[in-house]
Amino acid sequence: QKEVEQNSGPLSVPEGAIASLNCTYSDRGSQSFFWYRQYSGKSPELIMSIYSNGDKEDGRFTAQLNKASQYVSLLIRDSQPSDSATYLCAASSSGGSYIPTFGRGTSLIVHP
Amino acid sequence: SAVISQKPSRDICQRGTSLTIQCQVDSQVTMMFWYRQQPGQSLTLIATANQGSEATYESGFVIDKFPISRPNLTFSTLTVSNMSPEDSSIYLCSVELSGLGTEAFFGQGTRLTVV
Repeated sequence: QKEVEQNSGPLSVPEGAIASLNCTYSDRGSQSFFWYRQYSGKSPELIMSIYSNGDKEDGRFTAQLNKASQYVSLLIRDSQPSDSATYLCAASSSGGSYIPTFGRGTSLIVHP
Repeated sequence: SAVISQKPSRDICQRGTSLTIQCQVDSQVTMMFWYRQQPGQSLTLIATANQGSEATYESGFVIDKFPISRPNLTFSTLTVSNMSPEDSSIYLCSVELSGLGTEAFFGQGTRLTVV
């Protein structure tokens, strides 16, 4: 059974700090990894995708992938109260079923 | 990306009735999915909507309860049949553009309350 594990939180950080969100996955065949942000009452919004080991930066967001450790992380620099949301990690395989498996999400609270 | 229109955005329904949710995409897509998200929970895949053939259902979900149509590459419907309060949830349509496991995008969701 493919699983994606996340700490449900909440993770509370002060405004301006770095928020670090972590995710592990069970399927070694996973090739594609995604971070979604979901505000309360809204649908998930894709914020980052990463396909190879290392770091990928996009603005204040950095996704990190370590396939050997089956570990994915998302760093949010200069956190803002508007970043307060639930962050969902997802993984999908390149062969066979491409359907992503989602984690339960980590609730992030950025307080002023 | 894709523009995904899902409706209704919310509804309150009587138990025993059925609700059909529509999902319209602004471009042809290979993969369309239907998810359920219960309060405080992550996304649970109900089924993959296949164009021109029967949907592929995940364990725990059956066609009689959640019939799905996909008449073309831009449109799908999910029906929640014979509803009970346990069906109260957010239902989400999702598309994956390339068919190769790249990014998936979501509709706005349908918040269903069964009373």
